[in-house]
Amino acid sequence: EDQVTQSPEALRLQEGESSSLNCSYTVSGLRGLFWYRQDPGKGPEFLFTLYSAGEEKEKERLKATLTKKESFLHITAPKPEDSATYLCAVQDSNTGKLIFGQGTTLQVKP
Amino acid sequence: DGGITQSPKYLFRKEGQNVTLSCEQNLNHDAMYWYRQDPGQGLRLIYYSQIVNDFQKGDIAEGYSVSREKKESFPLTVTSAQKNPTAFYLCASSPGQKGTDTQYFGPGTRLTVL
Repeated sequence: EDQVTQSPEALRLQEGESSSLNCSYTVSGLRGLFWYRQDPGKGPEFLFTLYSAGEEKEKERLKATLTKKESFLHITAPKPEDSATYLCAVQDSNTGKLIFGQGTTLQVKP
Repeated sequence: DGGITQSPKYLFRKEGQNVTLSCEQNLNHDAMYWYRQDPGQGLRLIYYSQIVNDFQKGDIAEGYSVSREKKESFPLTVTSAQKNPTAFYLCASSPGQKGTDTQYFGPGTRLTVL
């Protein structure tokens, strides 16, 4: 059965304190892995798509990496405005459906 | 400005009522989706449509219905048969190309049963 697990559930950082969020997945065939950012009461905002192991993508203070079993979202020198819930999803190559993890809620304190 | 709109932002329903949530997109996307989000859970797929006049059940379709009469519109009806409808509902669309297909989300509708 396809499954996506994100850890930790919640993360508190001081401004400037770098860290990583983890997304572990089990899927019969991976078509792509997606990262989204979601602010409270709003819809998810697309960040990255990763297609194959070894691939990396960057956007401002965020860098996403992918292995055969997991993906990491690295946050370098975070700012309070990076506070949000980060969602990971994998697309099953057989069904085309997205399977979402439960998210990691990040709080960055000034 | 291209994007996905959902209305209303907040919706209150009495027991036994059907309600319809609106989703419109002007991105010229072929595929549209409805998800439900509950606290502490991942998004769950309710229905999806890859082309006009065609749609498929997702993982939790019971108690919901949809239509896709126009490319731009994919309304979701929450029927009285849905046992626990209080949730945050998200509509998404994607270009619909074969292969990896990024989904873009609307702002959501929060439904509360009174």
